[in-house]
Parts: sequence; structure tokens; C-alpha cells
Amino acid sequence: ETGVTQTPRHLVMGMTNKKSLKCEQHLGHNAMYWYKQSAKKPLELMFVYNFKEQTENNSVPSRFSPECPNSSHLFLHLHTLQPEDSALYLCASSQDRGSGQPQHFGDGTRLSIL
Amino acid sequence: GENVEQHPSTLSVQEGDSAVIKCTYSDSASNYFPWYKQELGKRPQLIIDIRSNVGEKKDQRIAVTLNKTAKHFSLHITETQPEDSAVYFCVAAGNTPLVFGKGTRLSVIA
Repeated sequence: ETGVTQTPRHLVMGMTNKKSLKCEQHLGHNAMYWYKQSAKKPLELMFVYNFKEQTENNSVPSRFSPECPNSSHLFLHLHTLQPEDSALYLCASSQDRGSGQPQHFGDGTRLSIL
Repeated sequence: GENVEQHPSTLSVQEGDSAVIKCTYSDSASNYFPWYKQELGKRPQLIIDIRSNVGEKKDQRIAVTLNKTAKHFSLHITETQPEDSAVYFCVAAGNTPLVFGKGTRLSVIA
């Protein structure tokens, strides 16, 4: 299934770099999500967008900046990250943000901060 | 907000045996309970889900049960196979988007 595509798959960056993660969905969904998955932790919801509007920000540090130009694309802009930000970043989409909507995940971007 | 507890964190079974993973949730408004399977290095994939108006659902070797009164739900895998080895996440959703449990690493030993 390639309904949700994330690029790049792997990213290594220094703490002073600026990079962006990209997510694209071809499922006609209206809601998109960013999750962080660290070792030995559950998936942590970071941001939710519904019809291009941000509906949730789970107290994410400002060094992570999301952007949703349309319902099919979602970006996560990264700057001045810390070593503890190394993790797998997963994008997901669902029909809309409503309850009872299964989410479809991308393969994730494995981020390593040096 | 919603809090999901999942047990056990690791589970090893012999091929052909059954595996059971249990979860509890805290928000009585939660009404949707999907289960995701994540194989090593791959994306989480939905394997089965249940809604609060249903007590049990089965799909081949996988079944889920839901006890709304006790706020418990469980995943049952019968006749386990090596390809069932993965991390399984229980999830609760209602007024909030999906809240994931911490995951259960299932190992099926051939």
C-alpha cells in the first residue's frame, strides 16, 4: 500500500541544521497527522490538521513547525533540534478528524540528530 | 484526556498457540478501538477495529472483545504463526484522535 508517502526515509542532521520532512497522501483524506515514535515509548501525537487547519498541537516544542498547504500534503520543518529528537517520525491520514476514523500511516522518516 | 494501558509489554508463544493482549482505557466517551500491527522497520497497519456498539468482532485468526462497563478490550490471535511476530498497539479514540497504548512485542517461536 503506498497511499501515504513520506520523504526522506532517513535523515541525519546536526543540531544547527534546518530540514523538512514531507508527507503526501493519495487517499482523498481530509485529516493528516504527525507522530513521533521513540524507542520504548508509545506513538506520540504531535500535530493534527483537518481540512488544512491545525486542530491540535500536543505541546510540541517550537523547533518543530508543521505546514499543511492542502489536504494532500503535510510538512514538518525542523530547526535547532536536540539529540533527544532522534526518532521515527510518522505521518498518517484519515477521512477526517472525526471519531471512529481509521488512520493510514506512511513508512516514516528515521531522524538522527548528531 | 484519554489514557490507554496495555499488557503485557512482551509476549512469547510457541507457534500454533494463542496470544492475548489486554488493554484498558480511561475515557468513557471513547467509542472506537482499532488495533495496529507494526513489523520491524515498517509502518503501523490496521489489522482489526471494534466500535462501542459491538462486544466482539472476529476476522479469521484474529478476534477483539470489548467490555465497555469495565473499559477493557483485548486482542486474541489463535493458531499463531511466525509472521505474526510484531509489535501490536491497542488504541482508543472518541473526543480525541487516536491514543495509543505502549505496545506489545509478540514473538512467535517456531
